[in-house]
Amino acid sequence: SQQGEEDPQALSIQEGENATMNCSYKTSINNLQWYRQNSGRGLVHLILIRSNEREKHSGRLRVTLDTSKKSSSLLITASRAADTASYFCATDGWGSNYKLTFGKGTLLTVNP
Amino acid sequence: DGGITQSPKYLFRKEGQNVTLSCEQNLNHDAMYWYRQDPGQGLRLIYYSQIVNDFQKGDIAEGYSVSREKKESFPLTVTSAQKNPTAFYLCASSESSGSYNEQFFGPGTRLTVL
Repeated sequence: SQQGEEDPQALSIQEGENATMNCSYKTSINNLQWYRQNSGRGLVHLILIRSNEREKHSGRLRVTLDTSKKSSSLLITASRAADTASYFCATDGWGSNYKLTFGKGTLLTVNP
Repeated sequence: DGGITQSPKYLFRKEGQNVTLSCEQNLNHDAMYWYRQDPGQGLRLIYYSQIVNDFQKGDIAEGYSVSREKKESFPLTVTSAQKNPTAFYLCASSESSGSYNEQFFGPGTRLTVL
């Protein structure tokens, strides 16, 4: 079964607005990663957050992790049309630290 | 110019044929991975290799085979035993196999069975 599940499945916003995507997972993790995929392309790594971290920033990205709720959120501030893509969370799991399990993704559309 | 390449970009296969998808990296990474992506779905792990001459089955290995004879190459063969092979195939690599490593992805191969 999928370890990570993103919510919402699709999100449409206007340029300049903030976009928030959530990821929930089932079992304990060591790390959680967020990736971005433009249509028909490979994935690009955005950010990694370790289980002992609560928040990380990278440019316009802010990731939070709540291990008690088994959830993470990705916030993109001041969105741009070029941010239009699918966003995936990927989790490992205790006993499977060689593998990442990807969710189904959130399709973000930023309208100019 | 470092990176990970996949070829071909599009591949058409007749039922009953085996096809091989190429994946090459010049990042000097030890670990390599093959994923399958279906429309509107996440990635599912087919095979992974932590080091040259070694590989393990992922979650959906049936109907697929791999080899890892060289560090930089990890070809995937889709055999006739794979019942529904039409999908987007992504290859990735990472410096080592630990989950704390980011994975670098190739551009993908779209396989269609005619």
